[in-house]
Amino acid sequence: LAKTTQPISMDSYEGQEVNITCSHNNIATNDYITWYQQFPSQGPRFIIQGYKTKVTNEVASLFIPADRKSSTLSLPRVSLSDTAVYYCLVGDWGTDKLIFGTGTRLQVFP
Amino acid sequence: GAGVSQSPSNKVTEKGKDVELRCDPISGHTALYWYRQRLGQGLEFLIYFQGNSAPDKSGLPSDRFSAERTGESVSTLTIQRTQQEDSAVYLCASSLGSSDYGYTFGSGTRLTVV
Repeated sequence: LAKTTQPISMDSYEGQEVNITCSHNNIATNDYITWYQQFPSQGPRFIIQGYKTKVTNEVASLFIPADRKSSTLSLPRVSLSDTAVYYCLVGDWGTDKLIFGTGTRLQVFP
Repeated sequence: GAGVSQSPSNKVTEKGKDVELRCDPISGHTALYWYRQRLGQGLEFLIYFQGNSAPDKSGLPSDRFSAERTGESVSTLTIQRTQQEDSAVYLCASSLGSSDYGYTFGSGTRLTVV
């Protein structure tokens, strides 16, 4: 499984765009990139998944460069309720399990 | 059901006692996973069931931990002779087992060993 590296914590203010970058230098050909969000006292929640280029859904966008050695989760106009831990994971989910790192703790201030 | 259900939601037990934690996955999900999360830390993989294949037990921390799954339904995680370091939230997740779908997690069982 490819190891991921992401910042331990980030601070932002309401209304700002937040970009969290994850490094995964040894990503394999069959690996997908997946991001999860976890609020206190809850299990992680799937946010977005991609393989290459850009993926957008109602919650976030995921930018993946051509070499796929990194990815950036973009949260537009964050609110206080986006305060959570965000995990970047890389793997082939059809054949393997998710391995979580320590994640990025995002704190949004008013 | 609509989501992954775990029971109990909270469990307080005395050191040395055995505990059983239950997970009801989403119907039709062939893959089921158990994770442990200590306070303020990330998720630690414990065990993974995929269909009728032999489970991946590589994350179990000691032989006091075991898990079973009946077919593609309920799973039980058992911790024997609990220790204080076993105190954590135990999370269960299920998935369709393909690369196109994310996991759905339950809300976890908070285990406190006193």
